[in-house]
Parts: sequence; C-alpha cells; structure tokens
Amino acid sequence: DAGVTQSPTHLIKTRGQQVTLRCSPISGHKSVSWYQQVLGQGPQFIFQYYEKEERGRGNFPDRFSARQFPNYSSELNVNALLLGDSALYLCASSHSGGDGYTFGSGTRLTVV
Amino acid sequence: GQSLEQPSEVTAVEGAIVQINCTYQTSGFYGLSWYQQHDGGAPTFLSYNALDGLEETGRFSSFLSRSDSYGYLLLQELQMKDSASYFCAVSILDDSSYKLIFGSGTRLLVRP
Repeated sequence: DAGVTQSPTHLIKTRGQQVTLRCSPISGHKSVSWYQQVLGQGPQFIFQYYEKEERGRGNFPDRFSARQFPNYSSELNVNALLLGDSALYLCASSHSGGDGYTFGSGTRLTVV
Repeated sequence: GQSLEQPSEVTAVEGAIVQINCTYQTSGFYGLSWYQQHDGGAPTFLSYNALDGLEETGRFSSFLSRSDSYGYLLLQELQMKDSASYFCAVSILDDSSYKLIFGSGTRLLVRP
C-alpha cells in the first residue's frame, strides 16, 4: 500500500508568489492534516480536514488556505509568500482524525 | 494557550534505557502521542495514550498521567539507529476544532 504522498518534494518560489502543495492520503483514510516545520522545531498545526470539511485551524494568517477533494486528497495554498514561509510542509492522514497520524515525506519550500 | 515541555537533548549509551519526559498545559486534551523523526525524514508515529497508564510496543513504552498532565517515552535496549528527534504531541478538541499540537522535540544521541 502506498503511504501518504506529497508533491512536489522541493520548491523554490519568490516573495509575493503563490504556491499550491498537494497530498494524497493513505487509501481509506478520510482525514488530512497540514503542518509547517521549521528547522529545529516541532511541526506546527495548520489545518485539519475530515470528509471534505475543515475540522481544525491553527494560528496561521489567512494567506494559508486548504481544501479536501471527494477522493480525500488535499491541497494547501499559500498566497503572497514571505521569506518566513520557508519550511518543510508536512501532510498527515488518519482514519478518523484522532490518534495515529501517518506523515508524508513533506514538501521543502524555499522562498527567496 | 497550549504548551508542551520536553528536554531539548538527551545522550545515552547503546544498550541502555532512556526516558524522555513531556509535561503539557492544554484545554480540551484527549490524548498524548509520540513521534520519531530522523534528520531529513518525516515524523513516524510511535505510540498513543488516551488513558492513564503504560502502553508497550516492543522496545518502546509510553506512559500517561492525565491528573499530572505528564507523560514519558521509554526506550529500552538502545540502538544506534534510535538516534533521532522525539516529539510528544497532544490531541485536543478546542471549540469543535481538532488539533495535534507538537512539542519542540528532544534530540536523542546514542553513543557506542
């Protein structure tokens, strides 16, 4: 079985641009969460979606948005990129949004 | 607000036992998880405690005391490959919003 897949693996963007990151959860998992991880720190919660509805939102500005599709895949969008948005963006899936999240390998975003 | 405290670094010898503590202050708490992350890799789920007591999974055990807002991860028979960062994470339900909040991580170095 394929695990959680994220694309792209690496991305370089310029300040002010917009970026879309993609995630496919494990087959059968209906919950997808997004995290931002800066080097040396723990993952910071951005969003959780379950059955295509937003179930949780972290302390991130409105420049960050996400959605979940009928096949449970998800996209994270970040507008008006800032240098501080440079980080590893992780997607995690679970069956119900409770315990036991499985993480993807992440998308490394560099904003220059 | 939510806060988690765990030691920043721990060093131990191969074959030894090490305990990584985690204290938390949150509202809406319903579980404590532990994740392992090797440099350049994604977090990997290790264990989850929703109730007080000890959960054992092979060489790893995790403990939770909800009344003390405290938990720990116990790693036995340490191996070199256990050198990694370990994160405790609390699952919370906050105003109908589900979140998984990570600590800053404990970097474990296993020496020969």
